[in-house]
This record gives sequence, C-alpha cells and structure tokens, in this order.
Amino acid sequence: SSELSQDPTVSVALGQTVRITCQGDSFRTYYASWYQQRPGQAPVLVNLGKNRRPSGIPDRFSGSRSGDTASLTITGAQAEDEAAYHCGSRDTSGHYLVFGGGTKLTVL
Amino acid sequence: QVQLQQWGAGLLKPSETLSLTCAVHGESFSGYSWSWIRQSPGGGLEWIGDMDLSEGTKYNPSFKSRATISVDTSKTQFSLKLSSVTAADTAVYYCARTDTTMDPYFFDHWGQGTLVTVSS
Repeated sequence: SSELSQDPTVSVALGQTVRITCQGDSFRTYYASWYQQRPGQAPVLVNLGKNRRPSGIPDRFSGSRSGDTASLTITGAQAEDEAAYHCGSRDTSGHYLVFGGGTKLTVL
Repeated sequence: QVQLQQWGAGLLKPSETLSLTCAVHGESFSGYSWSWIRQSPGGGLEWIGDMDLSEGTKYNPSFKSRATISVDTSKTQFSLKLSSVTAADTAVYYCARTDTTMDPYFFDHWGQGTLVTVSS
C-alpha cells in the first residue's frame, strides 16, 4: 500500500481544466513532484509541486499544495496530455521516497 | 545531456537474485542521488532505494533485507541486486537520477526500464 493516495481515473474534455490530486500526511511538511507516463514509456517529470517546471514542460501544468493534498492542474488539456500521472514525495519521516498509485487521465 | 542506460536479466526463477546495472552518460555521480524504482504490471511506482557517494545507501524498508545497491565510480555505473525473488517481484525496473538538494526531491532523468519476469 502507498502512503500517498490518488484517484485511479480522471477524465477531462479537450481544452478544459482538470485537477489531479494526491493525498497524504507527507504534504503537511513536504512538496510533491509530478510525473507523466505514457504507455510503454518511462515517467517524465512535469512539475515540482512548488509550481516549478522543468525546461520544456508547457506552462499549462501547474502544481500546488494545501493541507494534506497536493494537486497538479492542467489548464486547457490537450489530447497529448492523455497519460498516467504519478505524484511523489518524501514519507512522513523524511527519510524515504514514496509515490501515489497513479491517476489515468483520459482526454475526451 | 544526461542519459541513463540500463540492462540485466529479464527472466528469473523464484528464489534467484535479480541483477540490474545502470550506466550514467554525460554526468558524474557527484551532487545527486541515484535510485532504483519499479512498477508492477498495471500498478504504481515503488521506490526501492538510492545511492549517494557522500551519504551512502538508503532502502525502502519493504526491501531493506533483500536489496543491495552498489556503485562503480570508475565506470559511472550503479547496480541493484534483489535476492530471493518471487512472482511478486515481476515488474519494470527503472534507474533514475534523484535530486535531493532541496524539497521536493525529484527524479529528473530515467533509464529506459527493464521488464523482469519471475516465473518457474
């Protein structure tokens, strides 16, 4: 079982805004990192939770945190955003790294 | 440009030892941690452990008794051994560069993944 919880599936209409959430006590102390994973490929870092993005990641991907929940918001979802999204963070002890179970995003 | 290239045996029998190696191109080991992560079929990601030249190794408590991460600095390679594998260890295994300089920690470069299947 994971210390971080994600909804297994989320859907969004093309061009609309979607928020993918990740819940866990870790977020009362630490920020999340977010990864996009297309089928058969390795995950790709898309957001660093303090709303920092790696070079080359579109600004429609934004991150935030409130209480025990971290969120990745995609503003104006595109067809190519259909993928699985994984959150990551430190565990509550701060010593180890943990992931959520992943959210499969469908763009309708 | 940092690239991670990994390899290792893809088919094991129960009780055997999984062995994977990751070569790092375009970067030295210094300043980063280097992790192994796995993903069970249809499942989420699971951090196995990492190696840092100055901090040593850390392991997910779920793997601590079976996993060993080692490093060959002369070749800029690091390796994972996981002993006494069972069918539950069937997964895609990834190596990844880990930035732990400030919160949040993150994985910014990944290997291509190696599917390891455990079957009798």
